[in-house]
Amino acid sequence: DAGVIQSPRHEVTEMGQEVTLRCKPISGHNSLFWYRQTMMRGLELLIYFNNNVPIDDSGMPEDRFSAKMPNASFSTLKIQPSEPRDSAVYFCASRSGPSNQPQHFGDGTRLSIL
Amino acid sequence: DQQVKQNSPSLSVQEGRISILNCDYTNSMFDYFLWYKKYPAEGPTFLISISSIKDKNEDGRFTVFLNKSAKHLSLHIVPSQPGDSAVYFCAASARGQAGTALIFGKGTTLSVSS
Repeated sequence: DAGVIQSPRHEVTEMGQEVTLRCKPISGHNSLFWYRQTMMRGLELLIYFNNNVPIDDSGMPEDRFSAKMPNASFSTLKIQPSEPRDSAVYFCASRSGPSNQPQHFGDGTRLSIL
Repeated sequence: DQQVKQNSPSLSVQEGRISILNCDYTNSMFDYFLWYKKYPAEGPTFLISISSIKDKNEDGRFTVFLNKSAKHLSLHIVPSQPGDSAVYFCAASARGQAGTALIFGKGTTLSVSS
């Protein structure tokens, strides 16, 4: 069974460049979540979608961050322009059904902004 | 303002002994609690969950206990095995609230020595 697939696994880019992270949720899952993990703040929710519609984006740190889910099988998280403090591991997760079901995570994208 | 706290950053246990990982929460609206395990360079993997209507849930070597009055939950692993060495995250959600995503603790690194 294919799990949540994230790409790229690693991204190194210079400050000011646009970064696009991609996620393919588990087929049939109707909720998708983007998280960021840092040493200081741990795992924090950035945004989540239900049936492709953004429900809560209060965790998105700034306007430089944007996320889209054009269809049920694909989502992107974009940072433009990127800054060194955006360096972190970004995880995508998906879930089937109501909130009392577990989320399933991808293996993350390790982002380094120089 | 951390709503989910794992106060022990690390725990070391000998193989065969019991591992007890603790988690405290502050939001009385949380009604669903989960434990995830994370290996390096991988995403968190769902381990076990418990609903607020229960005080115990068991799955093989893993048992989660919930004490609602103390706003405390714990994960017991018995017997501990070297393969259990990982970072363990406690997470919670509140069904019905906007953004039914998970709030994570910062994790506890478990080391099981043989």
